[in-house]
Parts: sequence; C-alpha cells; structure tokens
Amino acid sequence: KAGVTQTPRYLIKTRGQQVTLSCSPISGHRSVSWYQQTPGQGLQFLFEYFSETQRNKGNFPGRFSGRQFSNSRSEMNVSTLELGDSALYLCASSPGTTQETQYFGPGTRLLVL
Amino acid sequence: KQEVTQIPAALSVPEGENLVLNCSFTDSAIYNLQWFRQDPGKGLTSLLLIQSSQREQTSGRLNASLDKSSGRSTLYIAASQPGDSATYLCAVGSGGGATNKLIFGTGTLLAVQP
Repeated sequence: KAGVTQTPRYLIKTRGQQVTLSCSPISGHRSVSWYQQTPGQGLQFLFEYFSETQRNKGNFPGRFSGRQFSNSRSEMNVSTLELGDSALYLCASSPGTTQETQYFGPGTRLLVL
Repeated sequence: KQEVTQIPAALSVPEGENLVLNCSFTDSAIYNLQWFRQDPGKGLTSLLLIQSSQREQTSGRLNASLDKSSGRSTLYIAASQPGDSATYLCAVGSGGGATNKLIFGTGTLLAVQP
C-alpha cells in the first residue's frame, strides 16, 4: 500500500498570502489529522477529519481551516499568513476508529517571508 | 490539560550500548501511547503503539512499557546502532470522545556514535 502523501513538499509564501496544503491518506483510511511542527512549540494538533466531518480541533486561530473530501483526501488552508506560520505541516491517517496506529506523511515545509 | 515531557532532551551513546528513553504525562486518562522516530526534515515513523490496557509492546530491538498510574512510559533500545540516530517522540491519545488526537512530547535527540 502506498503511504500518506502530501503536496507540495516545500512552499515559500509572503506575509498576507494564503496557502492550501493537500494530504492523501493511505487507501481505506477515513481519518486524517493535521499537525504543525515548529522548533519552539514542537508538534501541535490542528484538527482531525473523519468521513468529511471535523471531529476535533486544536487551539489555533480561525485562519487555519480544513476540509475532507468523499475520497478521504484532505486539504488545509491558512489565510493571511504570518511569519510565525513557518513550520513543517504533517498529516496523519488511520483507518477511522480511535486507538489505532497513526501513519504520518513526509510533511509540507512552509516558509513565510 | 495533558502535558507530555521527555527526558533527556538529547543523548549520545557509543554503538552497541543499550539505552532507555523516558516519557511522562500528567493525566493518566489516556487511551493509548505511541512512540515515533523522526529523521531530520522528515515525517514521523511509528515504532510502537501501546493501548491503555497493555503494559508493554516489543518490536525487534525495541521495547516500550507503559505505567498509566504513574504517568510514565519508557522506550528501551537494545544494542544501539548508528542507524538508530534520530529524534524519538512519544505521543498520548487523550481526551474524551471519538478522536485520534495525539499530544506529543518534546522529543529526545539520539546520536549513536560508531
């Protein structure tokens, strides 16, 4: 089975712009979670989607949003980018119920100038 | 609020040595604990998953234990190799409701010297 894929892998944006990141889960997986990783804050949970519905949300401003499509692919969007949004954005997939191993993608590295 | 701490933050050992990485969490109401490794600039690779009802899990040279009552987990790596050099992260599945949300520790950076 192919693993979790994320596109693009690298991205450079300027302050004020918006960005959309994409995540394709492992085939058959219905849960997709997003995380932000920075040197200062470590790995922080953004949100989780299951069957096209947001199941949980972390403590991030409303500029961070996401969605999931019927094929379980997910996108996250960040509007009005700030310098502090520079980070590695990781998505993880799992079959769907809780208490399962989560499989992470390689991440999208976003640099905001 | 669940908080996860990992000690030490960094560790350097000679090849062949056995080592233990520590993870502690403040709220014992977890449903699982997962250990990951992360190579520089890469995503996370799952190593071991321990359900809340389990005490330990083993995979090859790796053994992870869980003591919910004391809020602690350890990852034991036997006969370390240079290829084990990476950042090791523990994460707890915590919180009510149906969710796969993980709360991560800050990681231990491991260097195995040849």
